[in-house]
Amino acid sequence: QQQVKQSPQSLIVQKGGISIINCAYENTAFDYFPWYQQFPGKGPALLIAIRPDVSEKKEGRFTISFNKSAKQFSLHIMDSQPGDSATYFCAASMNRDDKIIFGKGTRLHILP
Amino acid sequence: NAGVMQNPRHLVRRRGQEARLRCSPVKGHSHVYWYRQLPEEGLKFMVYLQKENIIDESGMPKERFSAEFPKEGPSILRIQQVVRGDSAAYFCASSPDRVSFNEQFFGPGTRLTVL
Repeated sequence: QQQVKQSPQSLIVQKGGISIINCAYENTAFDYFPWYQQFPGKGPALLIAIRPDVSEKKEGRFTISFNKSAKQFSLHIMDSQPGDSATYFCAASMNRDDKIIFGKGTRLHILP
Repeated sequence: NAGVMQNPRHLVRRRGQEARLRCSPVKGHSHVYWYRQLPEEGLKFMVYLQKENIIDESGMPKERFSAEFPKEGPSILRIQQVVRGDSAAYFCASSPDRVSFNEQFFGPGTRLTVL
């Protein structure tokens, strides 16, 4: 049973554009929502994360928007660069559990 | 300042053989997690271990799979009598303690191919 649904599966964006990846979750007990970036042949690396007590978190060109009532959150990459080309995973976890639940990933390609 | 190390990076096995995957956590981390990633899929949790203890194995297949994290040495994920469906990337992650489990650092993975 997939608990975190991610879309789109793949995304192509022009250099300098805004990349937007969306996720929806089902379990209202989730209280931590990280995003991971994975390059080919590498393990996922934590990019940015948010807790449900805030609606937005920004770190450099990366912003998470969080809508608790809709049970949705999204990653925005501003001024997208070719070096941002990677697979991005949204994820969720809860404090009383020890596992991170991952979405299926979005393969992002930034055109030079 | 070494991160999580996994070896081998690539492993090829024939059906019926055993696969042993090793994970050395970040120095000072005593909590290890194993995940499996099938092609075009996200990572799926398999097992969470502390030194000498299995804390949560709810994601482990009931048969053929086992994991350990001994007092000394790396964590080992063992797959007995491998089948083609076991072909995947296996990632290990570590965290310094239970409270920081959200801050898992991932290794580069072992890519298992079953012929």
